[in-house]
Amino acid sequence: ETGVTQTPRHLVMGMTNKKSLKCEQHLGHNAMYWYKQSAKKPLELMFVYSLEERVENNSVPSRFSPECPNSSHLFLHLHTLQPEDSALYLCASSQEEGRGSYTGELFFGEGSRLTVL
Amino acid sequence: KNQVEQSPQSLIILEGKNCTLQCNYTVSPFSNLRWYKQDTGRGPVSLTIMTFSENTKSNGRYTATLDADTKQSSLHITASQLSDSASYICVVSARFPGGYNKLIFGAGTRLAVHP
Repeated sequence: ETGVTQTPRHLVMGMTNKKSLKCEQHLGHNAMYWYKQSAKKPLELMFVYSLEERVENNSVPSRFSPECPNSSHLFLHLHTLQPEDSALYLCASSQEEGRGSYTGELFFGEGSRLTVL
Repeated sequence: KNQVEQSPQSLIILEGKNCTLQCNYTVSPFSNLRWYKQDTGRGPVSLTIMTFSENTKSNGRYTATLDADTKQSSLHITASQLSDSASYICVVSARFPGGYNKLIFGAGTRLAVHP
């Protein structure tokens, strides 16, 4: 138990569906992240919310949209996905010293395994 | 270009044997380096952190080394156990102009420990 909970653990969706991934952290951290993990590739940062600042990877398609209503909750809204979006989506949190710090230990959730048909 | 290269890509060893995983980085300037262990179907978990001034750090049967001059780190596993079967990911934090850091991930080494 890392203190970061992701739901659902597994999701199968069609290309026309709209779904959301949820992440909740119980560690009191001030930064939350979405990462995409594809086979044999490095983790790819998608979005960061840190100290009320949002940072995003410009290569992430607009069919992925994040929402961070507070420092403990993070969502990833999915719509009209493509089969190549099938991957493990990892949420993480960390405690950072300031904006843009990103030196703290990342605490990951178990991941949401997404399959797009 | 800031990169983190890990080798080997995969490794099979027998239970009880030692092994060493390598991480070479071109990240500059360097803030810190972490090794994470990721069990199958789970999220990564931090094993150890190395800062610029540290050469060696141990965490049980795991020993990490850092050579900041050659920009190399290694993770040595002693007396391997079946539970060591996992992917090991090297992550380097780089400091960019303006004081912002960025995390650069390696692709990981997949270790399989066989009985």
